[in-house]
Amino acid sequence: DTGVSQDPRHKITKRGQNVTFRCDPISEHNRLYWYRQTLGQGPEFLTYFQNEAQLEKSRLLSDRFSAERPKGSFSTLEIQRTEQGDSAMYLCASSTKNEQFFGPGTRLTVL
Amino acid sequence: TQLLEQSPQFLSIQEGENLTVYCNSSSVFSSLQWYRQEPGEGPVLLVTVVTGGEVKKLKRLTFQFGDARKDSSLHITAAQPGDTGLYLCAGAPFGTSYGKLTFGQGTILTVHP
Repeated sequence: DTGVSQDPRHKITKRGQNVTFRCDPISEHNRLYWYRQTLGQGPEFLTYFQNEAQLEKSRLLSDRFSAERPKGSFSTLEIQRTEQGDSAMYLCASSTKNEQFFGPGTRLTVL
Repeated sequence: TQLLEQSPQFLSIQEGENLTVYCNSSSVFSSLQWYRQEPGEGPVLLVTVVTGGEVKKLKRLTFQFGDARKDSSLHITAAQPGDTGLYLCAGAPFGTSYGKLTFGQGTILTVHP
């Protein structure tokens, strides 16, 4: 399967803990995006990379959130000191041009 | 206020019926995408419309992009239970970063056998 993959698919954590998610994009795609989706809503943009450069960050991405794409391939999204409001589906997508292809997402539940 | 307004938010119909989902904005988009998402999964790209007035067909699904590139519609003919899911429109308005997709809030479609 050469689609976008995300790991883990599900994460349950206690409030205050740190979590890290990984995204592996489609191999020839130089652009990688992170979105967050809460129940009953469409995805909301968080940040995006072109190769290893982080080109834009949403105001939704508080200081507790950090994303990296060190070698321009896979990316990680870390949330520090998780809060219950961080519970959501975190989606990764990749593209070469305008069409973005999404991974299956990581469902985060903060207790 | 949503940049992309989708209607209706919920649609519950019987197998064989036709339906239309609308995606409207006051902004102009260079292109709009339609996605379908199933519970617990990521959105799957159905189509991209680029040219004002463009019509694209994907089996029983017909997608239209408004002449002014501010709106789009998705029409499903003879809906089947397998069409059940969340339908999302998305795009990047002119003047914004093309990588930053804005999504509508989605239309939850349920097709009953």
